[in-house]
Amino acid sequence: KAGVTQTPRYLIKTRGQQVTLSCSPISGHRSVSWYQQTPGQGLQFLFEYFSETQRNKGNFPGRFSGRQFSNSRSEMNVSTLELGDSALYLCASSFTAGDTEAFFGQGTRLTVV
Amino acid sequence: GESVGLHLPTLSVQEGDNSIINCAYSNSASDYFIWYKQESGKGPQFIIDIRSNMDKRQGQRVTVLLNKTVKHLSLQIAATQPGDSAVYFCAEISSGGSYIPTFGRGTSLIVHP
Repeated sequence: KAGVTQTPRYLIKTRGQQVTLSCSPISGHRSVSWYQQTPGQGLQFLFEYFSETQRNKGNFPGRFSGRQFSNSRSEMNVSTLELGDSALYLCASSFTAGDTEAFFGQGTRLTVV
Repeated sequence: GESVGLHLPTLSVQEGDNSIINCAYSNSASDYFIWYKQESGKGPQFIIDIRSNMDKRQGQRVTVLLNKTVKHLSLQIAATQPGDSAVYFCAEISSGGSYIPTFGRGTSLIVHP
């Protein structure tokens, strides 16, 4: 079966702009989590969605937001981009909320210039 | 490939050797601990998890040991193969109903043929 699909793979944006990233989970998976990975901070949890509701949120500013649709696909949005937002953004899906076995996509590499 | 971290601890082993990757965690109240493998250019891949009420769990060629007294987790890989070369992360899941994983910085495993 198809894995987790993230689009786009690469993105270059200018400071102050906003960006929307997309994640399609594995078919049948209803939980989607988002992560930010940088060389300096490593892998950090952003938020988790299940049944179109945000269940958990990491320690990120309100510029980072997300949503989940009825088909379990998810998007995350970052507004007023800063240079420090440059990172690999990863999405992971799991069958249900809080499932430890999550499957990651390849990520979206965001560069803010 | 994607850079997942700078100045990561590195473990170099010969093909066929056993590898032991260590991780120190901080929250004595964490419910679950997870090991992930991340190959260059890919998202993390779930390897194995362990509940906090266990001290050992085995999978295919891997064993995870949990020492709650010293808050230490280890991943043992038997008969290491070149395909095992990757960055390995541990993660702890906090308790209290919130699924918020906290990730270690990672260890780079290099397997020499």
